[in-house]
Amino acid sequence: DTEVTQTPKHLVMGMTNKKSLKCEQHMGHRAMYWYKQKAKKPPELMFVYSYEKLSINESVPSRFSPECPNSSLLNLHLHALQPEDSALYLCASSRSGGGQGLAGGPVDTQYFGPGTRLTVL
Amino acid sequence: AQKVTQAQTEISVVEKEDVTLDCVYETRDTTYYLFWYKQPPSGELVFLIRRNSFDEQNEISGRYSWNFQKSTSSFNFTITASQVVDSAVYFCALSDPNAGNNRKLIWGLGTSLAVNP
Repeated sequence: DTEVTQTPKHLVMGMTNKKSLKCEQHMGHRAMYWYKQKAKKPPELMFVYSYEKLSINESVPSRFSPECPNSSLLNLHLHALQPEDSALYLCASSRSGGGQGLAGGPVDTQYFGPGTRLTVL
Repeated sequence: AQKVTQAQTEISVVEKEDVTLDCVYETRDTTYYLFWYKQPPSGELVFLIRRNSFDEQNEISGRYSWNFQKSTSSFNFTITASQVVDSAVYFCALSDPNAGNNRKLIWGLGTSLAVNP
């Protein structure tokens, strides 16, 4: 079972709203990811959590706030977004969480959820 | 510099034609991983294949096949007897050697495949 679920599927919010995106996996994966994808572009990495700790923040604006309550859940809290933040937000997970072995070790497959289409008005 | 080039932005074929999607990569690493993902209009990125740099065997999975050639730094993807359901954007990706175990990927820009009935 390689299923990653995301809720909601669609979200429309105003620039003053606060909302959250949710991601869940039950594959026992120890790394989870948030990506942002604009139309006709590849996904852009935002955050990586390894063993429930934030390991990569790709200089994402503070209006995006990730949270990993446990090894199965990943949230993305949104506040005071701009219209240019409208995009498809994808969550992914991979088996091992990093911190094991040396750089250049085996790279596990990332499995993606269906995404949340976010529109900021 | 690490880079993935998918030179074909859009491809349009008629059903049952064979089609090859090109992927050329650049890396300074001797150990690396390559991936192909499919993204249908629904948006979900679907994993297709993962290949490490030590395994140059070609792979076939049903109508899909992959040709990995280190000599030309290419990892091309062929769909045989294409079907309308193959219509999607296909991304090739390369593991980032700077990312250690944190699993960053370097993505190509994608090839949009339209299979017409």
